[in-house]
Amino acid sequence: QTVMTQEPSLSVSPGGRVTLTCGLTSGSVSTSYYPSWYQQTPGRAPRTLIYSTSIRSSGVPDRFSGSILGNKAALTIAGAQADDESDYYCALYMGSGNWVFGGGTQLTVL
Amino acid sequence: EVQLVESGGGLVQPGGSLRLSCAASGFTFSDYLMHWVRQVPGKGLVWVSRINSDGSATSYADSVKGRFTISRDNAKNTLYLQMNSLRAEDTAVYYCARDSTWNAFDYWGQGTLLTVSS
Repeated sequence: QTVMTQEPSLSVSPGGRVTLTCGLTSGSVSTSYYPSWYQQTPGRAPRTLIYSTSIRSSGVPDRFSGSILGNKAALTIAGAQADDESDYYCALYMGSGNWVFGGGTQLTVL
Repeated sequence: EVQLVESGGGLVQPGGSLRLSCAASGFTFSDYLMHWVRQVPGKGLVWVSRINSDGSATSYADSVKGRFTISRDNAKNTLYLQMNSLRAEDTAVYYCARDSTWNAFDYWGQGTLLTVSS
């Protein structure tokens, strides 16, 4: 059974750059999976950041960017700010009307 | 402004049933696929189900297939999730989400909490 992978936790310094990745235990993530990214702080609903690999959702600053890096989807945050400290989830469209979320990455800004 | 407001959560005994609702406004509801996504408190997001714009096609995660039914009433701008044979592991916050038309979720409701416990 193929499982999605995300870094459980990452840290970044204020003003720094960090890349979160989303992979598969078997195979590569490509644009055909329409990777998307979501930000969530405790007690709040998710906020959509990126869909279809690299399209920023409305109102999302351009310091958030999405891409394919090697065999994984990636979310890069440039110029990290304190309020970027959140959980980040990727999701993949697996076809046949099915989606899967990764386990999430807890990002600390310190 | 796009708004999605879930309701119907609560405490249910194992084996029981409940129907969640999601009232949509601020967009043409009948033009969009819709989803349900759940989250056990403190854990990750899990996709549950989706329905196409006219309600003719649905899909479900294996964990709820045969027990949950997604539906919609485009005249009432409302999405539903009928949940039967509920189990303790169904305890979660349930979010409705609009499909972005790029096989992703673009707007989310605030969520409604379902607790399955005796």
